[in-house]
Order: sequence, then structure tokens, then C-alpha cells
Amino acid sequence: DAKTTQPPSMDCAEGRAANLPCNHSTISGNEYVYWYRQIHSQGPQYIIHGLKNNETNEMASLIITEDRKSSTLILPHATLRDTAVYYCIANAGGTSYGKLTFGQGTILTVHP
Amino acid sequence: GAVVSQHPSWVICKSGTSVKIECRSLDFQATTMFWYRQFPKQSLMLMATSNEGSKATYEQGVEKDKFLINHASLTLSTLTVTSAHPEDSSFYICSAIGLEAQFEQFFGPGTRLTVL
Repeated sequence: DAKTTQPPSMDCAEGRAANLPCNHSTISGNEYVYWYRQIHSQGPQYIIHGLKNNETNEMASLIITEDRKSSTLILPHATLRDTAVYYCIANAGGTSYGKLTFGQGTILTVHP
Repeated sequence: GAVVSQHPSWVICKSGTSVKIECRSLDFQATTMFWYRQFPKQSLMLMATSNEGSKATYEQGVEKDKFLINHASLTLSTLTVTSAHPEDSSFYICSAIGLEAQFEQFFGPGTRLTVL
């Protein structure tokens, strides 16, 4: 899996959009970008994934640059419950599918 | 989304004893399950990949004789920590991939193991 780099921490005001960046400059053409989050002392939760195109679901939006070397996870209206560690992961699938390599992630703190 | 459960949610045991942790997919069949370990203030580390009816594949540095994994059915995988020692104290998390939702990996709530 390609190495990903994320800022160690970010703050966001409740109700505002949270934009979490991720660099994956060595990502290969067949690697997807996944985002998971982990609330304290719980198992990780899948948020979204994408390959080339921008993606949106009920939780978040994923913006992937055209060269695929970076991406941004957007939580459009952050709430206090969104406080968590957010992990950006590149994974190719095939024999490595599902074998996720978690980095240190970004600790997002949403404050009132 | 699909639900993965783990039992127990926490366990305290004496050094030298064995502990079994169960991971169940409650509403879907899991072709593959994964076991992760997370030490305090650290990220998750993959320990092994488990496929139903076959031997688990362990990551480098993980002792297969110490961490026994059994995936007897499409809804159940177990991790047994044999002869546990204090350094095995950690948060153990399983995850599962179903037949249909191939891109979404569902994680259990984790099991906190403390070895005295």
C-alpha cells in the first residue's frame, strides 16, 4: 500500500465543514483511497472510498486531485460526535485487499 | 450497515493463561475476517487474515503459535491468545468483509485484554 501522510491534528467548530487532507504521492493506479474513523475505544468505521472521481455519501465527500497524489475528506456540517481519529488509507485490492495499513491518522476535535 | 460483534468486550487474565476472543458477523456472511491489535496511543496493526475453512495468514512478526485463529464458519472467527503475558495486553479488533459489500470493511467494537 502506498504511504499516506496526514496532519496529526485539526480543530473544527461545530456546524462548520471539516476538511481533512491526505497526501498519497506514491499511490499506484489501482489503489483506492479509503477513509475510516475511530472514535475513542471503539472499532474503526468506514466512511468513504474512491479511485479517481469525487465521491459523496450520507456521511462525507471525498475529493481526489486529478493526479491522485492527494485527497480531502469533507464532513459538511461537523458535529461533536464527529470528534475522532480519521485515517486515510491506500489499498489496491487483489491479494492485499482488506489488509489495511493504518497510519497515525488525524485527530479531529470538533468544539462547540 | 452490517454489524460485527466481539465477545468479550474486555477481559482480565493472569499471566500464562489463554484467552479466546470471538468475532461474529451478525447479519452477513464474511468471506474474510481480519484481526488487528492496537496498543495505547498507537494505530491499528494488522495481525492476520482469516478465510473460512482455511488456515489464517499471519503478518510478519506475529507468532502464529501464540495467536491461534480459527474461522470455522462464514459468521465466526476466533482469536486465542495462548500463554498470555503482560506485553500481550492490548485492544484487539476484528473486521469482516462480506460477499456483497466488497469495498466496505466492517469492524467489531474491540476487546480490551489486560494480562496481569
